[in-house]
Order: sequence, then structure tokens, then C-alpha cells
Amino acid sequence: QITLKESGPTLVRPTQTLTLTCTFSGFSFTTRGLGVSWIRQPPGEALEWLAVVWWDDDKRYSPSLKNRLTISRDDSKKQVVLTMTNMDPVDTATYSCARTRMAGRFFDFWGQGTPVTVSS
Amino acid sequence: SYVLTQPPSVSVAPGQTARITCGGNNIGSKSVHWYQQRPGQAPVVAIYYDMDRPSELRARFSGSKSGNTATLTISRVEAGDEADYYCQVWDSSSDDYVFGSGSKVTVL
Repeated sequence: QITLKESGPTLVRPTQTLTLTCTFSGFSFTTRGLGVSWIRQPPGEALEWLAVVWWDDDKRYSPSLKNRLTISRDDSKKQVVLTMTNMDPVDTATYSCARTRMAGRFFDFWGQGTPVTVSS
Repeated sequence: SYVLTQPPSVSVAPGQTARITCGGNNIGSKSVHWYQQRPGQAPVVAIYYDMDRPSELRARFSGSKSGNTATLTISRVEAGDEADYYCQVWDSSSDDYVFGSGSKVTVL
């Protein structure tokens, strides 16, 4: 059974750095063609892809946010970590991680998401 | 940046057919994927590679593509199909994963 679960702070102050952790199970990150992405959804708005790290440790970022994002992985812990710098109230959203397939470039399993509010 | 356009809402009576469109420039050259997001739940993939369906999803869901529009069709709509539906493609020119704005399906 494939599961992903996000964890991190629910409240972040403006200008602070957000660090989120995705802990996954049921698949191996060394499997060719697999990756883990971060995706967010502001309240009442659409989904927005943020970043992906692939099985070969290649990392890609949203063109509009790449200057603020860093994605990394810890295979021993089966975790993927996302950091986002200089948080702003417009970054308030539910942040989700999802297993990503390179073939077709889609998200086949999702976590439930973790809400993050940016407020002073 | 690449844009996918969806109708904000689609209303359909139980037992009827719902069609949700997703428009994008040259979408015919891209693989289109569809996600269902029920209220308060995580998205699940409903259709991938334009028309393939996960084995656990009922055959009432199907996907198609013509010209600059992809379509998700839900046949014999049930109350449990009420959800937001998002289309998604990968834009190779910008290496960006693009979602549509989402369509809320309401079962009357």
C-alpha cells in the first residue's frame, strides 16, 4: 500500500522560512521513473505544482517560485523535504506531496495535505 | 506560461452524463491527466494519458481529446461524483506541471 504523509508547522510568520516533510511508504525511491512532488492549493483555489525530486536525485522547480524553493530527499528515512523562503500571506495554502511518474508526468498517489497559514 | 481553461461548474442530474472540458493551446501534443477531489479529501487520479483509467475507478469515467480540447466524461452520474475535477499537463517548454482552474461538478 502506497502512502504519503505531510508534516510541518501550521502557522508561519511573514518573511520566515517554511520547512515541510513528506514521509512515504510502499515504494522505493530508487525505482527508475519515480519521483515525489510538492503541490499546494490556496483556500478555494486551484492546484499549483511546486517542485519534484526524481529517483536519480534530479530536482526541478516551478519557474515562478524556483528562487524560493529547495527540495531534498533522505532515502534512509523515506522522506522528502521542501523549504520555501520569505513566506508571505499569499502562500497560505494546503501543501501536499504526491508520487510522480516521469512517464506521462503525472501524480498517481497523493498525501492528505497539511494546511499552512502565513500571518503575523 | 501555459494555460488550461476549464468551466467553473458543471451541473447534471443523476443518471445523466457530465462532460468537463479542458482547453489549451496545442493540447493535442500533450498527455492530459484528470484528478477528482472530493470535499476535504486529497485528489485522486481519474484519467491518465488522455484516456486510461485506474483499475479501481469505475468504467463510468472516460477521457478523450479533440483539437485544442480534452474532455472528461462521467456517465450515469451518481451523487458520489460530486467533486472538483482538475485537468493537468506537463509543459515541456517551461518544464512546468500545469493544472486547470478546476470544475465543480454538482449533482442536482
